[in-house]
Amino acid sequence: EAQVTQNPRYLITVTGKKLTVTCSQNMNHEYMSWYRQDPGLGLRQIYYSMNVEVTDKGDVPEGYKVSRKEKRNFPLILESPSPNQTSLYFCASSLYSGQGYNEQFFGPGTRLTVL
Amino acid sequence: AQSVAQPEDQVNVAEGNPLTVKCTYSVSGNPYLFWYVQYPNRGLQFLLKYITGDNLVKGSYGFEAEFNKSQTSFHLKKPSALVSDSALYFCAVRDRNYGQNFVFGPGTRLSVLP
Repeated sequence: EAQVTQNPRYLITVTGKKLTVTCSQNMNHEYMSWYRQDPGLGLRQIYYSMNVEVTDKGDVPEGYKVSRKEKRNFPLILESPSPNQTSLYFCASSLYSGQGYNEQFFGPGTRLTVL
Repeated sequence: AQSVAQPEDQVNVAEGNPLTVKCTYSVSGNPYLFWYVQYPNRGLQFLLKYITGDNLVKGSYGFEAEFNKSQTSFHLKKPSALVSDSALYFCAVRDRNYGQNFVFGPGTRLSVLP
């Protein structure tokens, strides 16, 4: 089954404790992206990647890191989480044809709470 | 800079009636436009997109959207709403002349009343 998986689905942590949220897709997609969803703000793009070793900042990259060492994986790293990073996080992937108009497939989400 | 507005936080419609969920956008170049739907406790699902060509785009589950360049709008429509259409709807834009990032609107919650 074609899918985007995220782990963990739920995470409660404390301020300053480094964490990683994993994202994996099995559709051989070039483009991958991380979003956070907050009430009233919709989805905001954190980082995206157009292929292996190619990443770029979205609208809200502060406090986050990403890497793209393999095509299928795109982990999101919070080196020192803070309470304002409490949010619902989504990973997404799509084909990338050079035009950038392909629809994205979204993972189920990771609900992160930072105390 | 790109931006998307969804002027209504909530839209209520009776089952069987037509529905419209509004979206307006701002880009410096030409847009790619998308609609996604989010059901409770689920990720987003793609509904439809506008790339170029015909201004009326048809998508999944009987939804359609009309691209209006002069009004910079991309409203989502369905002729006859179902209770099962109740969900959170997001409009998104990518400026084809600027980067590879996407901007989503704040979302509109659609409630279809039986």
